[in-house]
Amino acid sequence: QKEVEQNSGPLSVPEGAIASLNCTYSDRGSQSFFWYRQYSGKSPELIMFIYSNGDKEDGRFTAQLNKASQYVSLLIRDSQPSDSATYLCAVRTYKYIFGTGTRLKVLA
Amino acid sequence: ETGVTQTPRHLVMGMTNKKSLKCEQHLGHNAMYWYKQSAKKPLELMFVYNFKEQTENNSVPSRFSPECPNSSHLFLHLHTLQPEDSALYLCASSLDRVSNYGYTFGSGTRLTVV
Repeated sequence: QKEVEQNSGPLSVPEGAIASLNCTYSDRGSQSFFWYRQYSGKSPELIMFIYSNGDKEDGRFTAQLNKASQYVSLLIRDSQPSDSATYLCAVRTYKYIFGTGTRLKVLA
Repeated sequence: ETGVTQTPRHLVMGMTNKKSLKCEQHLGHNAMYWYKQSAKKPLELMFVYNFKEQTENNSVPSRFSPECPNSSHLFLHLHTLQPEDSALYLCASSLDRVSNYGYTFGSGTRLTVV
């Protein structure tokens, strides 16, 4: 089992819809959870982090954490073509582990 | 300048060359990292420096040699590389090694070994 698992996609959503990106992790001792956005040919950019169970909202982005089920998700409301990118999930235990990323395509 | 700056942006080198990648951060962070990103693979951590001291070396071949002269600068010295070393090399920094606030990445160096 991979330590941090994401569906590689592409996940295609129409403009204005909600995009839902999911990530599961294997280490129950994981403490902090991060979402990065990476545009093609660019470096990853931190967009959200979450530590506690529940939801955390920042503008159009909502991170959701469920430690019992060992998953973290990112919701993007009112998706825009400019949201098209690869979204990397990262989990911190005693080390920092990245998933392979989910490619999101928002169709105009 | 602000953030994390990497140079060069692109590098093509032969297998017998020696080159260096440079990273500089202006964020007051104390931890710096080298990552390798290859197609369809997760980011691979190579080296970690915390307060100028190397704290991790993830079984990286000796043809990659890091150097951290101070908390703001990080180098990756390259010599006798192989074609499979072609990848995007990313530098990142964080407040410290146990920071819960995530990383700031540089723009990366796209390395091609011919």
